[in-house]
Amino acid sequence: GQSLEQPSEVTAVEGAIVQINCTYQTSGFYGLSWYQQHDGGAPTFLSYNALDGLEETGRFSSFLSRSDSYGYLLLQELQMKDSASYFCAVYNQAGTALIFGKGTTLSVSS
Amino acid sequence: GAGVSQSPSNKVTEKGKDVELRCDPISGHTALYWYRQSLGQGLEFLIYFQGNSAPDKSGLPSDRFSAERTGGSVSTLTIQRTQQEDSAVYLCASSLEAQARSNQPQHFGDGTRLSIL
Repeated sequence: GQSLEQPSEVTAVEGAIVQINCTYQTSGFYGLSWYQQHDGGAPTFLSYNALDGLEETGRFSSFLSRSDSYGYLLLQELQMKDSASYFCAVYNQAGTALIFGKGTTLSVSS
Repeated sequence: GAGVSQSPSNKVTEKGKDVELRCDPISGHTALYWYRQSLGQGLEFLIYFQGNSAPDKSGLPSDRFSAERTGGSVSTLTIQRTQQEDSAVYLCASSLEAQARSNQPQHFGDGTRLSIL
């Protein structure tokens, strides 16, 4: 089966850099996804890494190491609006549905 | 509309009643997913539709839960004889196709917050 581990909470100040780690166990790996969810809102897609390395999209970057079953989301130049929950996710063995981690709550203070 | 639409946004009902939750996916999206999110938890997969068929319903927690999709579009999730442990936010998502091989992101609705008294 699939399982994911990520920290439950991270705190940081505006302008800082924060890294949210995710380790996974999966019986069939397609790629690692990251989603953001503001309190009470819909999860929104941030990134998808199928290959090793760093993918950068503006202030957000995502990294994957398939040999270590590990990835992270890097958020730079933090803003108050980045306060949200961040979920890593992998596909199930059939490749038909996402299995999500329990999420990391990021609190950004001024 | 441009996004995934879910109704109702909130539903309060008594234990033992049946409820129906509706999802209207983005037009043209063939893949549709239902998830459940309990307070402070991650998203729990329930069922996946490709078109009108459900090749993966492995996440449905009991036979009280069922879902259908018609016309390759709207989907309804039905919970019969609701129990208090069914209280959660039920989220629907759609994508152009099942993402794993095609890197198509899932687009989520705002969910239905279900409370069982």
